[in-house]
Amino acid sequence: QITLKESGPTLVKPTQTLTLTCTFSGFSLSTQASGVGWIRQPPGKALEWLAVIYWDGDKRYNPSLKTRLSITKDTFKNQVVLTLANVDPLDTATYYCAFSDFEAIPAALIHWGQGSLVTVSS
Amino acid sequence: IQLTQSPASLSASVGDEVTITCRASQGIRTYLAWYQQRPGKAPRLLISAASTLHGGVPSRFSGSGFGTEFTLTISDLQPEDFATYYCQQLNDYSWTFGQGTTLEFK
Repeated sequence: QITLKESGPTLVKPTQTLTLTCTFSGFSLSTQASGVGWIRQPPGKALEWLAVIYWDGDKRYNPSLKTRLSITKDTFKNQVVLTLANVDPLDTATYYCAFSDFEAIPAALIHWGQGSLVTVSS
Repeated sequence: IQLTQSPASLSASVGDEVTITCRASQGIRTYLAWYQQRPGKAPRLLISAASTLHGGVPSRFSGSGFGTEFTLTISDLQPEDFATYYCQQLNDYSWTFGQGTTLEFK
């Protein structure tokens, strides 16, 4: 059974760096065609894709946030870490991590974490 | 690549059939998925590769399309179907979501 869970601070001050961790089980991010991505959703608004890291270390970022984002993986710990620099109240959102497997189900995010609400406020 | 969903909201009744459209700014073959999101919950995958129903999803959900225009159709609406629906595409290993369509009780 595949599970993902997001963890990190619930409150961050403006200009700080937000660090979120996705801890997963039921798959290995060293398995070909697998990937873990981050998606966020401001209160009452739409989903916004942020970043993804693939089994081979390839990374992709949302162009509008690329200069502020970083994604890394720790295959041994089964974790993916997302950092978002210089946060602003507009970054207040529920942050989700999700799993993809191109070989099993192409071009889709198959399993999602429950989400972690982050508020940016002084 | 941008995705444009229409309509933004939709009113319907139990038993109705509804269709949601998703248009891509460039051709994406069938690299399109649909998700359902209920309030306070994470999105749930419904359809991948434009038309492949994900495991456990009722057959009243169906998807179609290729290239730049895609549709999600829900027939015989059930009370649990009233939620928000998102399309999502993959291009060059990057992802994009549509703006969502909220399905409401009439």
